[in-house]
Amino acid sequence: DIVMTQTPSSQAVSAGEKVTMSCKSSQSLLYSENKKNYLAWYQQKPGQSPKLLISWASTRESGVPDRFIGSGSGTDFTLTISSVQAEDLAVYYCEQYYDTPLTFGSGTKLEIK
Amino acid sequence: EVQLVESGGGLVKPGSSLKLSCVASGFTFSSYGMHWIRQAPKKGLEWIALIYYDSSNKYYADSVKGRFTISRDNSKNTLYLEMNSLRSEDTAMYYCANGVTWGQGTLVTVSS
Repeated sequence: DIVMTQTPSSQAVSAGEKVTMSCKSSQSLLYSENKKNYLAWYQQKPGQSPKLLISWASTRESGVPDRFIGSGSGTDFTLTISSVQAEDLAVYYCEQYYDTPLTFGSGTKLEIK
Repeated sequence: EVQLVESGGGLVKPGSSLKLSCVASGFTFSSYGMHWIRQAPKKGLEWIALIYYDSSNKYYADSVKGRFTISRDNSKNTLYLEMNSLRSEDTAMYYCANGVTWGQGTLVTVSS
């Protein structure tokens, strides 16, 4: 199984600050035939189901604010929120869909100071 | 609007069976692979099953293989998860998802 490791487990920032969180996979998520990374980022706000923010490591879903930026390739990936807003309070999960079983990281909890 | 609505959860005893349903609307259900994912209380996300758009392939997490069965009825836009031999560790919110959108979940509690 592909192991997904997210760091940090939690982080507290002030509104307006930039935040980055990391996701590392135990094997490459880059499929050579189409040059795509099979990596997604989800946001789960308190009491809600997860919402897909980014797929293919860097493609924002429709309606997702452009302050959410996904980057990385191979085994190292980053989610950046360029200017955190109060409504970004949530747990952020990365997920690999390169192979079954699909696997998730343990999440990064974002708290707003 | 894309919607996924799960149902069928509840409180059951260890060893019991339960069948979850997920009704889809707002997209062409028969064109999408569908997933079940669960989340134990205060825990992270665990993918448990995938079924291809035409039911030609099904995949399971080791934790549920042999006990859970995923299926679908494209004529009814409905996804199912049949769960047998339930254990306390199966207690979780169960979500269906089409790879983009997730439902609101249905809670399964396994307890004596």
